[in-house]
Amino acid sequence: DGGITQSPKYLFRKEGQNVTLSCEQNLNHDAMYWYRQDPGQGLRLIYYSQIVNDFQKGDIAEGYSVSREKKESFPLTVTSAQKNPTAFYLCASRTAANTGELFFGEGSRLTVL
Amino acid sequence: GENVEQHPSTLSVQEGDSAVIKCTYSDSASNYFPWYKQELGKRPQLIIDIRSNVGEKKDQRIAVTLNKTAKHFSLHITETQPEDSAVYFCAARHSSGTYKYIFGTGTRLKVLA
Repeated sequence: DGGITQSPKYLFRKEGQNVTLSCEQNLNHDAMYWYRQDPGQGLRLIYYSQIVNDFQKGDIAEGYSVSREKKESFPLTVTSAQKNPTAFYLCASRTAANTGELFFGEGSRLTVL
Repeated sequence: GENVEQHPSTLSVQEGDSAVIKCTYSDSASNYFPWYKQELGKRPQLIIDIRSNVGEKKDQRIAVTLNKTAKHFSLHITETQPEDSAVYFCAARHSSGTYKYIFGTGTRLKVLA
């Protein structure tokens, strides 16, 4: 069953700790994306990657880091430098073909105490 | 930078009435405009999309129109049903080398029975 999987679904961390959110896809998609969703602010782009070993900053990259060592995986680290990390994080992927559809994971809700 | 404005932020309609959600994009190089529906607690899913070489597209009760000159695009839902209640996001994609998707802030649609 193909899809995009995010884990964990819920995560609680203390202030000052780094946190890594996992995103794995078995759709053989080339491009992967991380979005942050806050009430009233829609989906804001954090980082995206179009191929392995390459990624670009989105609009709100400060305080976040990513890696793309494998085509299937695009983990996001929320560092202690992120001023307001509590949010809902969505990962998405897209095939390299000229189709537009982004396939989203079910999201990870991070709460920093 | 690129920006997508979406209105209204909330919309309530009676069952059977029509609903219209409007978006405006800033980047004239955008050439693909998807609409996503996010039901409560679920992942966003593509419901319809339109490319810049087309002015209108329809799929059963939903349609999207695009005015490239004005940089406006709209989602139209006719004969609304309670299951249409959700948050709807528009997006614009810039496709000159980087497939970057910028989302609007979302519209919460409530269909009243």
